[in-house]
Amino acid sequence: KNEVEQSPQNLTAQEGEFITINCSYSVGISALHWLQQHPGGGIVSLFMLSSGKKKHGRLIATINIQEKHSSLHITASHPRDSAVYICAVSPVQGGSEKLVFGKGTKLTVNP
Amino acid sequence: GAVVSQHPSWVICKSGTSVKIECRSLDFQATTMFWYRQFPKQSLMLMATSNEGSKATYEQGVEKDKFLINHASLTLSTLTVTSAHPEDSSFYICSAAITGPGGTQYFGPGTRLLVL
Repeated sequence: KNEVEQSPQNLTAQEGEFITINCSYSVGISALHWLQQHPGGGIVSLFMLSSGKKKHGRLIATINIQEKHSSLHITASHPRDSAVYICAVSPVQGGSEKLVFGKGTKLTVNP
Repeated sequence: GAVVSQHPSWVICKSGTSVKIECRSLDFQATTMFWYRQFPKQSLMLMATSNEGSKATYEQGVEKDKFLINHASLTLSTLTVTSAHPEDSSFYICSAAITGPGGTQYFGPGTRLLVL
């Protein structure tokens, strides 16, 4: 079993829909990251969370430390949101900035 | 925001040759840089952690003599794939961290390597 599990693996939505991507992890963490990878491969860091909720534009990320679960929400989705969204955690064990990655969720937003 | 660049963005080489990939933090100093590899339809896999002025720490299964990492300054780390083979063809991504554990990592745009 992977230490970081994401669901769904693939997600297709119509423009304007509300989207939720889930991430569960099994290790103690100091932080959780949501990353966006575009078709060309470049990666952008969207959020880093250690508790609660963060919002940036149409993106909202939440984390429940007790349940070891995080969600990424996209409101009013747009075709330009099409990308792979990756959840990654910074495990407490190891004491470094090492990240453990989920396999990603491929999002396609159709016009 | 913090910017990390990689050069080249893509490279095609013949089997047996060596390829050097550069990772630079453009507007900040990074004490730690990370090198990842990503095969098609798979997630990123950490290859090694590079600290300025010291030897890189390689993940299990990554050959340190094949993937040479040099982190000579706080803004530059290089990955050299020595005697490249077709199975080394992959997408190589670096990231740079500003602060300590749990700190944000800033990712480079990646380098696509194709070994013929």
